[in-house]
Amino acid sequence: DQQVKQNSPSLSVQEGRISILNCDYTNSMFDYFLWYKKYPAEGPTFLISISSIKDKNEDGRFTVFLNKSAKHLSLHIVPSQPGDSAVYFCAASAFSGGYNKLIFGAGTRLAVHP
Amino acid sequence: NAGVMQNPRHLVRRRGQEARLRCSPMKGHSHVYWYRQLPEEGLKFMVYLQKENIIDESGMPKERFSAEFPKEGPSILRIQQVVRGDSAAYFCASSHPNTGELFFGEGSRLTVL
Repeated sequence: DQQVKQNSPSLSVQEGRISILNCDYTNSMFDYFLWYKKYPAEGPTFLISISSIKDKNEDGRFTVFLNKSAKHLSLHIVPSQPGDSAVYFCAASAFSGGYNKLIFGAGTRLAVHP
Repeated sequence: NAGVMQNPRHLVRRRGQEARLRCSPMKGHSHVYWYRQLPEEGLKFMVYLQKENIIDESGMPKERFSAEFPKEGPSILRIQQVVRGDSAAYFCASSHPNTGELFFGEGSRLTVL
C-alpha cells in the first residue's frame, strides 16, 4: 500500500539545465509535503516543503509545485549543479495528534553531469 | 550544535544475535522517530516515541522488535534474534514538540550474516 509514489527511480540531467522530480500520493488527508535529499552513507536532509493550502513554494534554485486535484507534486531545480547529485525523497504527512508521521516515497536518484 | 546522533554507524550480527541501535535526539527535542530503509527502497516509518512513552508503533514488526525512550539516556531500537531480512539502514529522527520538523541522524547500518 504505497501512499507516496516516486515512479522514476533515476534521472540524468546536464549541468545548468532544469531537473524535474515527480511525486504522486493517494491519501487525501495529507496536508504537508516535503522533499529530502540524501547522499550515500548520510541521513536525509530537509530541502523544501509545501503546505496543502499553497500550490507553489520557492527557495533559491528549488521550487516545489503542488497540484491537489491531481494529487501530484514536483520539485524543480534550476539550474542543476553537480552537487545536486543525490537521492531525492518525497514525503507527506498529516500533522495531527501533535506529531509528524512522514510517509516517504522510494526516492529518485538524480545525476547531474557536466 | 550537535545534531541527531546515532550509534553504532555500522553493526554486524550473526543470525540469532541481538542488535541494539541507539539514538540521541537534538538538544531540546523530546520526540523521536525510527525509520528503516531496505536496499533500493524508501524510508519506512517504524515507531514514534516521546520520553517514556510509545505513541505510535504501527510500523514495527509484531515480533522481535522493540523500542524505548527512557527518561534519561538515548532512545534504543532493539532487534532480537536477527535474521538476514533485518539487514537495512535504520534512521532516527527527532523533532521539537512545537514545530514538528524532523531532523535525521546519519543512520545505523545493520548487516546480518
